[in-house]
Amino acid sequence: EIVMTQSPVTLSVSPGDRATLSCRASQNVNSNLAWYQQKPGQAPRLLIYGASTRATGVPDRISGSGSGTEFTLTISSLQSEDFAFYYCQEYNNWPPWTFGQGTKVEIK
Amino acid sequence: QLVESGGGLVQPGGSLRLSCLDSGFTFSSFTFSSFWMSWVRQAPGKGLEWVANIKQDGSEKYYLDSVKGRFTISRDNAKNSLYLQMNSLRAEDTALYYCARGSSGWFDGYYDSWGQGILVTVSA
Repeated sequence: EIVMTQSPVTLSVSPGDRATLSCRASQNVNSNLAWYQQKPGQAPRLLIYGASTRATGVPDRISGSGSGTEFTLTISSLQSEDFAFYYCQEYNNWPPWTFGQGTKVEIK
Repeated sequence: QLVESGGGLVQPGGSLRLSCLDSGFTFSSFTFSSFWMSWVRQAPGKGLEWVANIKQDGSEKYYLDSVKGRFTISRDNAKNSLYLQMNSLRAEDTALYYCARGSSGWFDGYYDSWGQGILVTVSA
């Protein structure tokens, strides 16, 4: 069973700064990796699939990269609406379909 | 578009049936029956955990190990509805349960549409 490890657990960033979030898979997941954003009291929202393809409506300041076991979500210039929790999810080796434990992006 | 119902407070060992209705308001030619469907849960203050999924025609179903034999996923494509029958509930099943739309292909993948979630609380 794959383990998805996200780092850091909490990321403190000033508005306008860049945020870099990491997701590591314990086995090769090729490019079968998605990223989600979740704000308090809301359902998750798909941001990225296929490791680097933005979902509909996702601004281009949000980008994903990586393949194999190492993945990165980058938010180039943090806006107020970007402060949230972020989860990665692999869909290469299943079942189960595994999520990372999440990264909280908070205002510095 | 996805609306869950059926949650609530239940005693340990009890049962509950969750439902998810796809209202179908979409500009896409795809319909409910085109997609894998999943249940994903989130315990209070915790992360996301996939629970179960079901193929478009119901021919394949997969479960998280900890719910195997206790939970049953099903769907009724004529009613645009997804279900989760939960039996022998445990305190650790307490969570917000989300209905999520998956892949339109042969295999399930990522989830591009989510319900608002329904709370299940297992407590004496």
